[in-house]
Amino acid sequence: GDSVTQMEGPVTLSEEAFLTINCTYTATGYPSLFWYVQYPGEGLQLLLKATKADDKGSNKGFEATYRKETTSFHLEKGSVQVSDSAVYFCALMRAAGNKLTFGGGTRVLVKP
Amino acid sequence: ETGVTQSPTHLIKTRGQQVTLRCSSQSGHNTVSWYQQALGQGPQFIFQYYREEENGRGNFPPRFSGLQFPNYSSELNVNALELDDSALYLCASSPTPDSSGNTIYFGEGSWLTVV
Repeated sequence: GDSVTQMEGPVTLSEEAFLTINCTYTATGYPSLFWYVQYPGEGLQLLLKATKADDKGSNKGFEATYRKETTSFHLEKGSVQVSDSAVYFCALMRAAGNKLTFGGGTRVLVKP
Repeated sequence: ETGVTQSPTHLIKTRGQQVTLRCSSQSGHNTVSWYQQALGQGPQFIFQYYREEENGRGNFPPRFSGLQFPNYSSELNVNALELDDSALYLCASSPTPDSSGNTIYFGEGSWLTVV
């Protein structure tokens, strides 16, 4: 079945540091890939997405590139802020259907 | 603000009881899905409703059931509550049930604690 694996946290960084969160997936066909963010006490917000190989999703300084050859969708940000402290979830959705399959989440803590 | 609203936001139930959670989808969205997010884990797909019928189900027992109404709002019902049902329950809406790449909008969730 479909699965998403992402690096375990917590990831602790200083403000303005570079952030990378690794995500790899297993799925048949060509799924769409997503990064969602969950701030403390809140629901999920879509951060970015990519729907086909080599697409780059970007939003709020975050980027991720759909790599079919390595089945990966790593999230990066060049300079994090304290406000980026949250839990980040990588997810996939198959072409047929609207079911999202999520990874376990990575907690990121940015210190001033 | 996603336009997806859920109620109640928090509730406490006793083991063996039943609970109903409610969701209003974003305007124009006819598909509603429910997810369970246990503490420290990623959300798990429970089921999806489209045109008032179940349209896909995850690995959850029959005591998890749902409804969708003509206005596309939805309910999640859980019978015979168990301690492991304690979780954040997320409702998600989308404009169609079967298009890859659709943006799915999540509500803030309902926190259920079973004691």
